[in-house]
Amino acid sequence: DSGVTQTPKHLITATGQRVTLRCSPRSGDLSVYWYQQSLDQGLQFLIQYYNGEERAKGNILERFSAQQFPDLHSELNLSSLELGDSALYFCASSKSVGGRWSEQFFGPGTRLTVL
Amino acid sequence: AQKITQTQPGMFVQEKEAVTLDCTYDTSDQSYGLFWYKQPSSGEMIFLIYQGSYDEQNATEGRYSLNFQKARKSANLVISASQLGDSAMYFCAMSLGGGATNKLIFGTGTLLAVQP
Repeated sequence: DSGVTQTPKHLITATGQRVTLRCSPRSGDLSVYWYQQSLDQGLQFLIQYYNGEERAKGNILERFSAQQFPDLHSELNLSSLELGDSALYFCASSKSVGGRWSEQFFGPGTRLTVL
Repeated sequence: AQKITQTQPGMFVQEKEAVTLDCTYDTSDQSYGLFWYKQPSSGEMIFLIYQGSYDEQNATEGRYSLNFQKARKSANLVISASQLGDSAMYFCAMSLGGGATNKLIFGTGTLLAVQP
């Protein structure tokens, strides 16, 4: 158990819908990352937050958004869902950035299926 | 551009033998970190080992060691005394230090099968 929690574990929804994925980082970790894992794209970085502020953006679609709350938990919102959004979405956390403290620990993931 | 290359899509190893999973990386940054993660069939990503670009000694964590050859830009994972539970997908990843983010860039993974 990495200490990172993600809910829900599985999500099945229809095209055009909107869903919210939730992540709670390890105790003491200030940085939260979101990654998408799909068969065709592999593991891709989406977005990072550090202590409530957006730190970096990767290949995140405009239909997707995220935020980190004062209690450091984070939510990833996916809207106007398409079949191609079906993937395993991981949240990871780390204490800080740079050096050893940048080790990222992953949550169990949310498997999203868009029908 | 930063890139991680894992050239072995799949590998077999006999139980109790050692196995090396290859990873090469490409970056012009001087400060970076190299990571290995294990993903069993259940799907979770398990952190295994970390090597910083300025670390002089190769990292070791139990049965895992990282063979870091900076000049060759390689960071191979060595698993000693393989166990059946080591069967999984293994990902090599890189993060760039010194900046505003240490997002991970992943390779395509190596599927390891440990045979009894």
